[in-house]
Amino acid sequence: DIQMTQSPSSLSASVGDRVTITCRASQSISNYLNWYQQKPGKAPKLLIYVTSNLQSGVPSRFSGTGSGTDFTLTITDLQPEDFATYHCQQSYSTPRTFGQGTKVEIK
Amino acid sequence: EMQLLESGGGWVQPGGSLRLSCTASGFTFSSYVMSWLRQAPGKGLEWVSDVSHSGDRTYYADSVKGRFIISRDNSNNTLYLEMNSLRVEDTAVYSCAKVGGGAAFWFDPWGQGTLVTVSS
Repeated sequence: DIQMTQSPSSLSASVGDRVTITCRASQSISNYLNWYQQKPGKAPKLLIYVTSNLQSGVPSRFSGTGSGTDFTLTITDLQPEDFATYHCQQSYSTPRTFGQGTKVEIK
Repeated sequence: EMQLLESGGGWVQPGGSLRLSCTASGFTFSSYVMSWLRQAPGKGLEWVSDVSHSGDRTYYADSVKGRFIISRDNSNNTLYLEMNSLRVEDTAVYSCAKVGGGAAFWFDPWGQGTLVTVSS
């Protein structure tokens, strides 16, 4: 199975900050990497698919980059509604595995 | 608007069984691969199972293989997960999701989930 490791596990940031979350795969997954946002008690919501493609309706302050084993989710100009947990997921092979999540908290 | 609504969760003793349902609306259910995923309390997301659009192909995580059965009824836009020989470690919120992207395989949307608690 491909292991996905996110860092950091949590971070504190202020409104207006730029936030970067990384996701590393245990082997190359090409660009088959998706990102989800999850708020407490809510279902995960697809943010970015195939590394860098914004899902419809997702604000442009979210962006994704990477290839192979190393990927990044960046949130520029952090907004109050962005405080949530973010999960990466590889879709290169079955089982499709997730990172452990990164919680973005208010500083 | 695409919507998925799960039901059937609850408390069950170890070794017991439960059947989860997921009712879909707002999209052509029969055209899409569907998945079950779960999230144990305080833990990350875990993929559990997929079923092809026609229901003839199924896939399972090793942790549930031989105990869980995924199926679908395209005439009623409903996805099922039959869970047998349940273990304490199966305790989680179970969500269904529509699979998008073909080979790129992302999950969107997800249902709100139904809680399964396995405890004596």
